[in-house]
Amino acid sequence: QVQLVESGGGVVQPGRSLRLSCAASGFTFSSFGFHWVRQAPGKGLEWVAVIWYDGNNKFYADSVKGRFSVSRDNSQNTVFLQMNNLRVEDTAVYYCARDRDADHWGRGTLVTVSS
Amino acid sequence: QAVLTQPASLSASLGSSARLTCTLRRGINVGSSRIYWYQQKPGSPPQYVLRYMSESDKQLGSGVPSRFSGSKAASANAGILLVSGLQSEDEGDYYCMIWHSGAYFFGPGTRLTV
Repeated sequence: QVQLVESGGGVVQPGRSLRLSCAASGFTFSSFGFHWVRQAPGKGLEWVAVIWYDGNNKFYADSVKGRFSVSRDNSQNTVFLQMNNLRVEDTAVYYCARDRDADHWGRGTLVTVSS
Repeated sequence: QAVLTQPASLSASLGSSARLTCTLRRGINVGSSRIYWYQQKPGSPPQYVLRYMSESDKQLGSGVPSRFSGSKAASANAGILLVSGLQSEDEGDYYCMIWHSGAYFFGPGTRLTV
């Protein structure tokens, strides 16, 4: 069955970097694009980034543009989110979701940005 | 002005129907927008409910009951999620999403209470 497992979250100081991973299984990874979506504590969903199946097209929310970068490694069936220059307001659970429809989601990984 | 607007809450009775709306900002045409809907329950990740573009371009998520359906209200420039025959397990937060100008946007969510 489709499975997405995020990892790499943790506590980090403002201005530092973190790289999240999303390991996928149960389907043909290279045929699908992936979203990153975050949810701050007690808040709604915020779309962060998407990478298309071919890895050539990537789009970002204005709030993270220039700081975050999405990539993928088809040999590892893994999608990455490189987060640089982190801010307190980036604190959230980060989810990856499969395909344009975001039809399957992982359980998320918590990122806390705090001094 | 936010790209998408949703009522903060909606309450409906067991067995009745709930109509959740997702209003697009003026200047964004619902007719040319594919609307995605997600359900989230406390402590769990969101789950895909359905996508709706038109009657010939729509998809219900895997395992989602046919009690869930999508539509559009062109006069209101809104996407609609209709949940019929409400059951207690339909309670949760519902978010809509669209693709617009090179990015995706979520609505603020509607908390449905049954």
